Parts: sequence; structure tokens; C-alpha cells
Amino acid sequence: GQQLNQSPQSMFIQEGEDVSMNCTSSSIFNTWLWYKQDPGEGPVLLIALYKAGELTSNGRLTAQFGITRKDSFLNISASIPSDVGIYFCAPKDHYGGSQGNLIFGKGTKLSVKP
Amino acid sequence: SQTIHQWPATLVQPVGSPLSLECTVEGTSNPNLYWYRQAAGRGLQLLFYSVGIGQISSEVPQNLSASRPQDRQFILSSKKLLLSDSGFYLCAWDRGAEAFFGQGTRLTVV
Repeated sequence: GQQLNQSPQSMFIQEGEDVSMNCTSSSIFNTWLWYKQDPGEGPVLLIALYKAGELTSNGRLTAQFGITRKDSFLNISASIPSDVGIYFCAPKDHYGGSQGNLIFGKGTKLSVKP
Repeated sequence: SQTIHQWPATLVQPVGSPLSLECTVEGTSNPNLYWYRQAAGRGLQLLFYSVGIGQISSEVPQNLSASRPQDRQFILSSKKLLLSDSGFYLCAWDRGAEAFFGQGTRLTVV
């Protein structure tokens, strides 16, 4: 079956440091989504990637869609305390509105030392 | 704009009691709908997804069931709750690439 690996599982970093996390899959996808979840809330979409090789930024966040379409990474620059949370990758196949079974990585729990 | 509503936000239910969690989406039509469960500090486990009215796919055999009586309504149910049903339940929708989540329901079975 399809395998999705997200790493690292957790990170403790100093405020101001850069953070990097990634996901790899055994299957090819045409979309990679990255979410952040704060405690007790639903995940919020951070970045969506649609093309292999695509590099997209959203403020201090940068994500890339791997050229093989089997991986993606998310970088956070100059981390701040509000970056604390769980980050999930979610690769997806979608074709013009047809169903896409949305699966998630196991998450990267980010804790920032003040 | 599209919005997703999920309720209740928290629920405490005794073992053996029934369950009904509701999720509705506004501002779109024919969305794909999903139910996930999340154990504390863990990943998102896909329980059910639906591509249309009356169409339900189950990912994990369990004590729960789902129904989609209307295009933008998705219901998660159980006839008799187990202690192991406790968790954080999330509803999500998409219509293509990007998916969006409700605020979640914290279910505690006692």
C-alpha cells in the first residue's frame, strides 16, 4: 500500500532559528498541501503546491514540491513562539474536481524555546 | 466564500450511548467530504469520505458509521459508543485540490 513518511516527528528549537521538515511518499502525487494545527483546533492550510519543482512562499514559510512528485519539504525561517503547533503534509491526487482521497503525514510537532 | 461548520465543539458521552456529529458546508456544491479522528498529539486517521449524496467510503472498520443525507451535510454516528471512541473528530471538505477543516469535536467517552 501507499506509504507516507513525515520527519522529524518533533522538534525543539530556539526562537529565531530556521526549521525544516519533509515528507516522502511511495506514490506519485500531483498536489502537496501543508497544514498547521494549533491545539484544540482544526488544521489550517498554509501552502498548496501543484507542480513538480514548484517553490512557494507564504511569509516566513517556504515549501517545495519535489521534482519526482514523491516528496515535499516545508521550511520556516526565523521561528517565533506562535509557530508552535503540529505541521502536516497532505499529498493529493485531484483531477478537475474528482475525488481525492486526502491522507496526511503523521505530523511534525514544533516546540519553540522562548 | 465557503465555510464549514462542525458541532458540537465538545461532547461527553457515557459508554454505550449513541453518537451523532454533524458537519455542513456552505458556499459550494458537490464537495468531497471527510471525517477524521485524531488521538491526542497524534496524526489524522481518515475514517470516512464521501464524493456525493449517499456515497460513503469507509477507510477503517470500526464502531462508527457515516451518512450523507444532503449534498453539503455529513454525519458521523455510532449506535453504542466505546471508550476507545474518545478523540478529536474533524470534518473536512474539498472540491479539487485544497481541503479545509472544521474546528473539530472533542469527544470524551466515560
